Amino acid sequence: AQSVAQPEDQVNVAEGNPLTVKCTYSVSGNPYLFWYVQYPNRGLQFLLKYITGDNLVKGSYGFEAEFNKSQTSFHLKKPSALVSDSALYFCAVRDLNTGFQKLVFGTGTRLLVSP
Amino acid sequence: KAGVTQTPRYLIKTRGQQVTLSCSPISGHRSVSWYQQTPGQGLQFLFEYFSETQRNKGNFPGRFSGRQFSNSRSEMNVSTLELGDSALYLCASSGSRGGGIGFNNEQFFGPGTRLTVL
Repeated sequence: AQSVAQPEDQVNVAEGNPLTVKCTYSVSGNPYLFWYVQYPNRGLQFLLKYITGDNLVKGSYGFEAEFNKSQTSFHLKKPSALVSDSALYFCAVRDLNTGFQKLVFGTGTRLLVSP
Repeated sequence: KAGVTQTPRYLIKTRGQQVTLSCSPISGHRSVSWYQQTPGQGLQFLFEYFSETQRNKGNFPGRFSGRQFSNSRSEMNVSTLELGDSALYLCASSGSRGGGIGFNNEQFFGPGTRLTVL
């Protein structure tokens, strides 16, 4: 079964410092990976996706993610964190076994950026 | 381009009642998926509709049902509500120009409906 794991419940970083939110995946076949962010009382906002091609994917709001096939990881990164980046981040993988649009989400990582 | 809209935003019901939630996808999107988000179980897939047909269903009891209309708007219904049904219900739409859909299409989520069952 397709799955993703987010090993950290919370990540703390000071404003201006680089941030990394970790995600590892387990899939059969090619991975279709996504990152979403959720602010309080809001739905999920799409950040970026990896389908194929370059291992470094650039997304919204200055975020990027590095796909590493050998380590089965898809970590989310940002060179310089902002206080406004504080939110809940979800990694997700498309469930190719069903052939449809189902996403399987990780448990989420809360990012806290301190001033 | 307008985003995904969900109504109502908040609902309070009592056990045993039923509830209907509505979702309007992004114009041109024909795929609508529903997810349940709870603190304990996280984000769980409920079902997906495409062109008025349910294509996939998650591991939820039959009390959870849905449908999609010809204009791609979707509704989900929960009958005989239980306390454990309290959650944020998220709708997501997906698609591309021409109405097609593929594995590389991201899903766009609405703000959700917060359901509280008392």
